[in-house]
Amino acid sequence: GENVEQHPSTLSVQEGDSAVIKCTYSDSASNYFPWYKQELGKRPQLIIDIRSNVGEKKDQRIAVTLNKTAKHFSLHITETQPEDSAVYFCAPTLQGRYSSASKIIFGSGTRLSIRP
Amino acid sequence: EAQVTQNPRYLITVTGKKLTVTCSQNMNHEYMSWYRQDPGLGLRQIYYSMNVEVTDKGDVPEGYKVSRKEKRNFPLILESPSPNQTSLYFCASGLGGEYEQYFGPGTRLTVT
Repeated sequence: GENVEQHPSTLSVQEGDSAVIKCTYSDSASNYFPWYKQELGKRPQLIIDIRSNVGEKKDQRIAVTLNKTAKHFSLHITETQPEDSAVYFCAPTLQGRYSSASKIIFGSGTRLSIRP
Repeated sequence: EAQVTQNPRYLITVTGKKLTVTCSQNMNHEYMSWYRQDPGLGLRQIYYSMNVEVTDKGDVPEGYKVSRKEKRNFPLILESPSPNQTSLYFCASGLGGEYEQYFGPGTRLTVT
């Protein structure tokens, strides 16, 4: 069946250092690979996404890399700041019952803490 | 303002008493879905809808029903709630399953 694994479950980094979170999925038909950020008490919000025809995408301090052969994609945050503290989720879209991929499975989340 | 709204935001109910959580979006999105969020388990998709009258089960559909009679609304129905359905529920919408999902503010449900 479909499987999405996210590692690590918790991550603590010194302010200014980099953080990397990895997501592994099982459905080779997946074509859309987003990362969501959820701050305490708030709703998840998209921070970056990538499609299967691209290997890397960058937006200021945030980047996502995709290895479709190995079925994993990673979130990279550089020069971390206190406001980066949150829970991060990967959420690849998998093949649903209908012809277009439509089922979304979230990873179990990574709690990122930035130490001052 | 583009948004997804959910009602109620908080609900305490008793086992077996039918309830409905409403979800509405004003962005003309075709795709809508419901999630439950429990500590340590992340967000799990309950049901999703690709368009009016087109719905399918997500990962944890047992004990829930949905309907999509209008494009903007996607209510979640618990016909006989049980304590294991105590959770934080999010509704979300997007252009499709392979696009950014916009989440509602969440509904915290407690079933005693």
